[in-house]
This record gives sequence, C-alpha cells and structure tokens, in this order.
Amino acid sequence: GAGVSQTPSNKVTEKGKYVELRCDPISGHTALYWYRQSLGQGPEFLIYFQGTGAADDSGLPNDRFFAVRPEGSVSTLKIQRTERGDSAMYLCASSLGGLAGTDTQYFGPGTRLTVL
Amino acid sequence: GESVGLHLPTLSVQEGDNSIINCAYSNSASDYFIWYKQESGKGPQFIIDIRSNMDKRQGQRVTVLLNKTVKHLSLQIAATQPGDSAVYFCAVRRGGGFKTIFGAGTRLFVKA
Repeated sequence: GAGVSQTPSNKVTEKGKYVELRCDPISGHTALYWYRQSLGQGPEFLIYFQGTGAADDSGLPNDRFFAVRPEGSVSTLKIQRTERGDSAMYLCASSLGGLAGTDTQYFGPGTRLTVL
Repeated sequence: GESVGLHLPTLSVQEGDNSIINCAYSNSASDYFIWYKQESGKGPQFIIDIRSNMDKRQGQRVTVLLNKTVKHLSLQIAATQPGDSAVYFCAVRRGGGFKTIFGAGTRLFVKA
C-alpha cells in the first residue's frame, strides 16, 4: 500500500517568505508527527497530532511555525517569515496511534527546504 | 529534558562481520526504545524496538540490547551486508507518550 507522502520534495524560498509543506499519512493512521532534520543530525521532534488536534507541540521552535490537520488526515506545516536557519529536511511520520505509545512510526521521504 | 547520544559517529566493518552500534540516553523515565535506519535521500525506517521491561529482543539479523542500569542501548547486526550501509539512529520515548527523541546517528560503512 501507499506510504507516507510529502510534497514538495524540494522547496527553495527567499528569506522572509511564507512556505507550506504538505504531508499525506498512511490511510487509517490517526497519529501524525512532524520532525526537522539538519545535516548530520537526528530528526528533531516538532509536533504530534492525534486526529485533528495537536497533542504535543512542544518542539515547535517559535511562533513562526504552525501546523494543522483539519480533517484528521492530511497535515500542513506552515512557516512564516522564513529565516536561513530554517533550512533543513522536514520529515513527516504517521502511526496507528495506539494507546500505549509504542506503535511504529512510518516516515515519509521528507521535504528539503532551502532558505536563501 | 532528554538527551540521546551515540558513542561513535561512524563505524566501518567488513562485509560478513557483525556490527555493534551503541547509544546512551539520559532520562531514566524513558521506557520505549527504537532503532531506525536512514538511507541517503530517504526518511528513517523502523528496524526494531524494545520496551523497558525487556533487556534483549531479536529480529531478522538484528538484536537490540537494553541496559537500564547504565542507560545504554545497542544494536547488533549479524553478517553485515553492503545493503546495511546507512545512518542508524536510536530514539527514545517515555511514559507511554508519543514524543520521540532521536540521537545524532552513526553512519555504518560496509567494506566489500
């Protein structure tokens, strides 16, 4: 079946612009996660959704970052007034969302964001 | 907070040998541990996991060992193959939560 998909695969923007990154989770997965990965580092947790609601947004670095999941499926990560330091790979993952918190996360291929 | 670190940023092994990748975590409340493999240009891929009530778990050619006393985790890959070349991350969760903290990764090189 289809895995997690992310669009675009690459995004180049200029400093100060607004960007939106899209994630399509695996069908039926109620949990969705966003991570940011800088070169040579492990993924850094940003936000986690259970259904439509953000259950944990403690990883969002500042108020320029915002994510939504209005219908409990597709999610969009929005970055306002982009800065060069926002350049990174943005990864999305989804999971069944089991109560125990031990369900497997499946990652998409990521969106590489470059801010010039 | 939680920090997760790996002992070596790179590891080079001969094809057919066993590989051992180590990881340390800081928070004793961590109760779920996961190993991921990431190939170039792809997202991380789940390899194996272990809960804190276990100290060893085996999969196909992989074994994860957990030592809660010293907060150490290791991934053993048997008969390493060229296709195992990738970056390996350990990750932890705590308290039944979903927030996952990743380490910095170890890049495994397999020499033919």
